[in-house]
Order: sequence, then structure tokens, then C-alpha cells
Amino acid sequence: NAGVTQTPKFRILKIGQSMTLQCAQDMNHNYMYWYRQDPGMGLKLIYYSVGAGITDKGEVPNGYNVSRSTTEDFPLRLELAAPSQTSVYFCASTPRPGMDMNTEAFFGQGTRLTVV
Amino acid sequence: KNEVEQSPQNLTAQEGEFITINCSYSVGISALHWLQQHPGGGIVSLFMLSSGKKKHGRLIATINIQEKHSSLHITASHPRDSAVYICAVLIQGAQKLVFGQGTRLTINP
Repeated sequence: NAGVTQTPKFRILKIGQSMTLQCAQDMNHNYMYWYRQDPGMGLKLIYYSVGAGITDKGEVPNGYNVSRSTTEDFPLRLELAAPSQTSVYFCASTPRPGMDMNTEAFFGQGTRLTVV
Repeated sequence: KNEVEQSPQNLTAQEGEFITINCSYSVGISALHWLQQHPGGGIVSLFMLSSGKKKHGRLIATINIQEKHSSLHITASHPRDSAVYICAVLIQGAQKLVFGQGTRLTINP
């Protein structure tokens, strides 16, 4: 199993540009999440999904969109990038509680995004 | 008020000391995770708990559901344990995974 694959690792965007951060997991996890981490700060939840076709907003959803058409993939879309979106983005997945209580959360390696 | 509070925010100790990091939460949860983030930024999962206690090597995690509190202990701490330790809870019902602000641990030789 590859775990959680997140791409790209680094990206520089100009103000107003758009991009999609890709996240894929091969563990058949129901729950997937997107977080952002600003320098010296904790992780803040952007969007999450409890299964294919279901998405919900987290703490900081403005400026982002997500979709979950399959169990494996959970892309994060940035529309009209702004400097405030400069951050490190992490994708994560977990199994549904009760499915496998011995399995921990898995994280992608992060995407360092700079908007200039 | 954050749903997940960790203490202390920063902790510096000498090699060999017994370390305790605390996590309190204010909501009903399905599970609690302890995570480690190294200076390079990568995040790895240490434990997932829904009750009781788990041990892995020098790491021990406990949870008290009634008191809404969890602790992470490190025995015989080592400089390589220096990292940010993060508590995250899976909120019951909503099933969203919410993070504490993290505890920055530094172990000096």
C-alpha cells in the first residue's frame, strides 16, 4: 500500500491563478481531510469527507472547493489564489471508527504553496 | 474556546526524563489520535485510542473518556524525540478530525 499520496510537493502561484491539489489513498478509508498549516501554527481543517459523494466544510473553507467522486480521491481546488492562502497543505485519511480500531490516521507529505 | 486543548505548548527537558503531554477536549468523540510532526514537516500517527491505554516502545498513551482527557508519555526521553506532538479528536456525529495546537518538545542531550 502506498498510503496517502499528495501532489505536488511545492507550488508557486500568482495572485488570481487557480490550481488543484491532488490527494489519493489506497487503503479504502472512508474519511478524508484537507488541512492547512500556517508557519508556527496548528493544523486547521478546510474540508472533509466521510465517503464518496459527501463533503463538508471545516473551520476555514473560504476560497477552496472539494469533490469526492470516488473513495480513493479527494482533490482540493483553489480558485483565484490570494496571498492569504500561502501555507502548507496536508491531506489525511482515516478508516471509519468500528471498521478497524487499530488503524491510525495517515497523512500526505504536504504541499508547500506560495501565492505571490 | 478550542474544542481540543493541549498542555504544555512548549516543553524542554533533559535526555532521560519522563515526559507527559496532556490533551483535553470538550466534545463527544469517536476516537483520539496522537501524532508527531518532525521539523521537516511530515506528520506520522503514533496512536489511535477510543479507550484505555496503548503502548509502543517508549511511548504510552492513555485516555479517560469520562474526564475527556488523554495523556502521551515518553519514557527515557532522547533528543530524537524532539518534535511537535499533536492531539486530534474525531468528533462524534460530524466525524471531523480536529487538531489541538500541538506541543513543541525539545530534549537536550
